[in-house]
Amino acid sequence: GNSVTQMEGPVTLSEEAFLTINCTYTATGYPSLFWYVQYPGEGLQLLLKATKADDKGSNKGFEATYRKETTSFHLEKGSVQVSDSAVYFCALSDETDSSYKLIFGSGTRLLVRP
Amino acid sequence: EAGVTQSPTHLIKTRGQQATLRCSPISGHTSVYWYQQALGLGLQFLLWYDEGEERNRGNFPPRFSGRQFPNYSSELNVNALELEDSALYLCASSLGVADTQYFGPGTRLTVL
Repeated sequence: GNSVTQMEGPVTLSEEAFLTINCTYTATGYPSLFWYVQYPGEGLQLLLKATKADDKGSNKGFEATYRKETTSFHLEKGSVQVSDSAVYFCALSDETDSSYKLIFGSGTRLLVRP
Repeated sequence: EAGVTQSPTHLIKTRGQQATLRCSPISGHTSVYWYQQALGLGLQFLLWYDEGEERNRGNFPPRFSGRQFPNYSSELNVNALELEDSALYLCASSLGVADTQYFGPGTRLTVL
């Protein structure tokens, strides 16, 4: 079945450091890919998305490119801030069995220190 | 524009009781999804409603059920609560089938 694999956390960085969170997927067909962010005590917020190969999603300085050849959707940010500390989830839209559910990775906790 | 809202924020029940969780989608959205975020198990798909009908359910027992009302709001019911039902329950809505899902803040259910 379809699945998403994320790098284990926590990832600890100093403010203004470069961020990469790796995400790879296994899927039949051509799913849409998403990054969601969860701040402490809150629900999920959509960070960015890409719907087809080579699409780049971007928002708030974060970006990720849909790479079909490597089945990856890595999240990057050039300069992180303390306020970026949160858990980041990579997800794909699973359209098998007439469902449109999201399949999530296990989440990667990011801690940014001043 | 208001986002997805969920109530209550927290819910404490004891084993064997029933829990009812509610969700109001973004105005104009007709699809509602429910997910469970349990410690150590990640985010798992529970149920999907669209236009008042249950369209799909995840790998959960029948004591997890729900419905969608004519105004597209939704209710999740969990019967015969077990300790392992303790989790954050997230509701999401989308404009239509296969559209981007937007999440609410969740209901934290604790079963004692």
